[in-house]
Amino acid sequence: DVKVTQSSRYLVKRTGEKVFLECVQDMDHENMFWYRQDPGLGLRLIYFSYDVKMKEKGDIPEGYSVSREKKERFSLILESASTNQTSMYLCASSPLGWRGSYEQYFGPGTRLTVT
Amino acid sequence: QQPVQSPQAVILREGEDAVINCSSSKALYSVHWYRQKHGEAPVFLMILLKGGEQKGHEKISASFNEKKQQSSLYLTASQLSYSGTYFCGTERGDDKIIFGKGTRLHILP
Repeated sequence: DVKVTQSSRYLVKRTGEKVFLECVQDMDHENMFWYRQDPGLGLRLIYFSYDVKMKEKGDIPEGYSVSREKKERFSLILESASTNQTSMYLCASSPLGWRGSYEQYFGPGTRLTVT
Repeated sequence: QQPVQSPQAVILREGEDAVINCSSSKALYSVHWYRQKHGEAPVFLMILLKGGEQKGHEKISASFNEKKQQSSLYLTASQLSYSGTYFCGTERGDDKIIFGKGTRLHILP
């Protein structure tokens, strides 16, 4: 079974702190994604990576950066956390395929609260 | 831009049918469908590809109208286990999957 794990299920940080959210997948997938999920807004794409050291912005990249130094690991970084970044963060991975032809496998999510 | 899902929410009795729609203002190459139960990660249901290929769940069906940039998910003879939030995700030619806001489905016994 494909497994996508995220470093924490719950995280509480203070405004201004630097926050790292880690995601690891064990199926050698090329594509990895970070989404945030808020009530009534669905899943919104923050960043996407299709290979090591490669990244592309999603729909809401402001305030976030990412790092992919190894194929299995994709990190989301909040350089200076703010209260409006309080949310559920979901990581996903998928094989490389033409035009979204493979399903995404999601991690359990990290619920981040910024106070 | 997110695809638009309708309805936003639906309540059914066990055994009834439901249709969830997903539409986009941009040309689509594929449409994904996922279900998320409360407190859990989204789980894959189906992919519909441009050209007619489908991959996914045997008991759930869906359609993809490429010209109208629309997809519909059909849930027949609904079971209690079908409850959850359904998301469609669309791929517009840039390999990114963009999800809609979701449709909440509640099945009553």
